[in-house]
Amino acid sequence: DAGVIQSPRHEVTEMGQEVTLRCKPISGHNSLFWYRQTMMRGLELLIYFNNNVPIDDSGMPEDRFSAKMPNASFSTLKIQPSEPRDSAVYFCASSLEGRVLSYTFGSGTRLTVV
Amino acid sequence: KNEVEQSPQNLTAQEGEFITINCSYSVGISALHWLQQHPGGGIVSLFMLSSGKKKHGRLIATINIQEKHSSLHITASHPRDSAVYICAVEGGTSYGKLTFGQGTILTVHP
Repeated sequence: DAGVIQSPRHEVTEMGQEVTLRCKPISGHNSLFWYRQTMMRGLELLIYFNNNVPIDDSGMPEDRFSAKMPNASFSTLKIQPSEPRDSAVYFCASSLEGRVLSYTFGSGTRLTVV
Repeated sequence: KNEVEQSPQNLTAQEGEFITINCSYSVGISALHWLQQHPGGGIVSLFMLSSGKKKHGRLIATINIQEKHSSLHITASHPRDSAVYICAVEGGTSYGKLTFGQGTILTVHP
């Protein structure tokens, strides 16, 4: 298995532009998580899905952020409009409920908003 | 006060030394994770444990549920162990949802 696949690896965009981050979880995993990592706040959970359904989006900073999981093999995190304070590394992770050591992170997307 | 506290925040060691990183948490959990992140790199799950002790190569993780405390030990440390080690807890009712410690930056010198 190729692991959790995120794209793009790096994204530089201008303030006000729409940004879409993509994630392909490990096949068979039924939970998907979006995290954000910054120097100031460390790792924070933004939203997670179980069986494609959003379970907890309390970590989503504001209405500019939205996430979808249209099927079991794909999820997107969208920021519209983007702001410089959104600059961070965004990680996607997936897991299979009940299986030990199934928690797997993607390589992350480094987003820079200028 | 953070729900997950790690110590020390920074740790420097000489190659071959025995290393311990500690993690204390204040909430009920279903599992505790130890993660490793190399500079500019992704995050790797080292251990997931809910009781007792686990060992993988030179790494050992222990947890004491009553004391709400876990330790990560590295025996015979090596420069390639240099990374950030992150403790994360999984809540009892929110499967998979992790709350993270601030991380411990480990540097092992040759």
